[in-house]
Amino acid sequence: EIVLTQSPATLSLSPGERATLSCRASQSVSSYLAWYQQKPGQAPRLLIYDASNRATGIPARFSGSGSGTDFTLTISSLEPEDFAVYYCQYRSNWPPEYTFGQGTKLEIK
Amino acid sequence: EVQLVESGGGLVQPGGSLRLSCAASGFTFSSYWMHWVRQAPGKGLVWVSRIKNDGSSTSYADSVKGRFTISRDNAKNTLYLQMNSLRGEDTAVYYCARDLYGDYVDWGQGTLVTVSS
Repeated sequence: EIVLTQSPATLSLSPGERATLSCRASQSVSSYLAWYQQKPGQAPRLLIYDASNRATGIPARFSGSGSGTDFTLTISSLEPEDFAVYYCQYRSNWPPEYTFGQGTKLEIK
Repeated sequence: EVQLVESGGGLVQPGGSLRLSCAASGFTFSSYWMHWVRQAPGKGLVWVSRIKNDGSSTSYADSVKGRFTISRDNAKNTLYLQMNSLRGEDTAVYYCARDLYGDYVDWGQGTLVTVSS
């Protein structure tokens, strides 16, 4: 079973700053990694799939990188609406495995 | 516009049962795998179950295997989760999600299940 570890647990930044969120897998997941954003009281939203592809409608300030065991979500210049919790997720069709990281809370400094 | 609307949550006693529904619209429901994902209060996301587009294949997280059953009615564009032998640790918001190549491209708003005496 693959374990995803996200760091930091909490990231305090100001609007306009650059955010770098990390996700490390316990073994290689190739590029089968996605990133989701969740705001309080809302369902998650897909941001990035296959490690580096932006989902439909996601602003260009969001980018993903990495492969194997180390992945990064970067928000180039934070907007007020970006402060939320971010989850990485590994998915395998067979055997079925859909593992989430524990989340990184991005808060306003 | 894609819409996923969950219903059926509520308060249930330990050992009880509940059936969740997820009504889908805005896409060809019968073409997509569907999932249930849950989130305990203040905690992270946990995958629960998935079902193939035609209902012929299902999978479950170990924590719910043997107690939960996922199903779908493609004629009614509805996904279900039958939950039996409920435990306190099953307390969570349950989301249905549409699967596109393994990623959850659309989510419902969630329905809260509380297991307590």
